[in-house]
Amino acid sequence: AQTVTQSQPEMSVQEAETVTLSCTYDTSESDYYLFWYKQPPSRQMILVIRQEAYKQQNATENRFSVNFQKAAKSFSLKISDSQLGDAAMYFCAYTGSSNTGKLIFGQGTTLQVKP
Amino acid sequence: EADIYQTPRYLVIGTGKKITLECSQTMGHDKMYWYQQDPGMELHLIHYSYGVNSTEKGDLSSESTVSRIRTEHFPLTLESARPSHTSQYLCASSEFENSGRNEQFFGPGTRLTVL
Repeated sequence: AQTVTQSQPEMSVQEAETVTLSCTYDTSESDYYLFWYKQPPSRQMILVIRQEAYKQQNATENRFSVNFQKAAKSFSLKISDSQLGDAAMYFCAYTGSSNTGKLIFGQGTTLQVKP
Repeated sequence: EADIYQTPRYLVIGTGKKITLECSQTMGHDKMYWYQQDPGMELHLIHYSYGVNSTEKGDLSSESTVSRIRTEHFPLTLESARPSHTSQYLCASSEFENSGRNEQFFGPGTRLTVL
């Protein structure tokens, strides 16, 4: 069975600084997708970034980038130039060819951004 | 505007009552999902649907039931609510695509409290 682990329940970062959120996963599948979702307080969850396992190049979306280490089964999220609006709970999620779109979520990391 | 809606946003109800949580999306998505999330915790898939008249149970066992009579509507019903059902319920949808790479769009959630 596939699992997703986020070992950092809480993180904090100073505004304008860079922070990295960790995620590891376990799977025997070779074809899968990894996601980072953001859940702001009392607001809807939104997709931050997506990585296809077959792509060696790390995904980037503006200030958000990932460090995808397939052999190590690691998928960390780097937020550059942190802004107050980045404060939220961040979830790492996995879906594979056997899941057909069903997401498996990690425990989440609460990010606090200090002004 | 294309979106996904959930009603009610908050519900406090007594034990033994029958409740239906509503979820509607205007994006024409075939895939819809229900997740259960305890405060500050990960999401667990409890039901999903890949189209009209298609419903499946998710990875987390739930006493709730769902129906999918129309593409845009995916209600969740609890026949007899219990305090153990107290949680947040999130609805999501995505376009149909076998690999699972498609983004899931989430509703704002229903926070259910059973007394």
